[in-house]
Amino acid sequence: DTEVTQTPKHLVMGMTNKKSLKCEQHMGHRAMYWYKQKAKKPPELMFVYSYEKLSINESVPSRFSPECPNSSLLNLHLHALQPEDSALYLCASSHPYGAVGYTFGSGTRLTVV
Amino acid sequence: KQEVTQIPAALSVPEGENLVLNCSFTDSAIYNLQWFRQDPGKGLTSLLLIQSSQREQTSGRLNASLDKSSGRSTLYIAASQPGDSATYLCAVRPGDTGNQFYFGTGTSLTVIP
Repeated sequence: DTEVTQTPKHLVMGMTNKKSLKCEQHMGHRAMYWYKQKAKKPPELMFVYSYEKLSINESVPSRFSPECPNSSLLNLHLHALQPEDSALYLCASSHPYGAVGYTFGSGTRLTVV
Repeated sequence: KQEVTQIPAALSVPEGENLVLNCSFTDSAIYNLQWFRQDPGKGLTSLLLIQSSQREQTSGRLNASLDKSSGRSTLYIAASQPGDSATYLCAVRPGDTGNQFYFGTGTSLTVIP
């Protein structure tokens, strides 16, 4: 299995809602990433998990809460989001060090209303 | 911090033309460099991964080169087709931490039939 699977593909949520994005990979990668991408911009790094531990948090607001329950799963919990948080959220996996590149999921298109 | 720049930001060519996309990075101490393709609203598809010890990689009509000492990579697309229309992103993996990739600003390519 050489894929990263993200669910849901689309999500519309109100500013008072709580929702979660899910990412799953079965490539044996031990680093997993969340990126946020706005239209016509490159992806912006949010979080990095290395061996299931949070290793990088790029000063992301606390309304975004990541979780890595095991080496195959990565969640992003969302609460009290703002309309400006509407974006494409991308998950990726790799090895923490060395010669392996990124594998990306197809993304979740999030709209906050 | 590694800075990655892609020139041009946008490119429009007639079908059948050969073209070159450029990626420049400021710190030559890298593990590898990866080229991606992104269709509108979709995830990133890996095209080519070049290790720091390699000079080039080829896949079909695509050829990527790496000149680490000068901080440059090029993606050559032969005999372009309308289906090649997409945004192309390069990403650099630093050699020190290795746990994070730095994305370029992207080149939006349109191939005109």
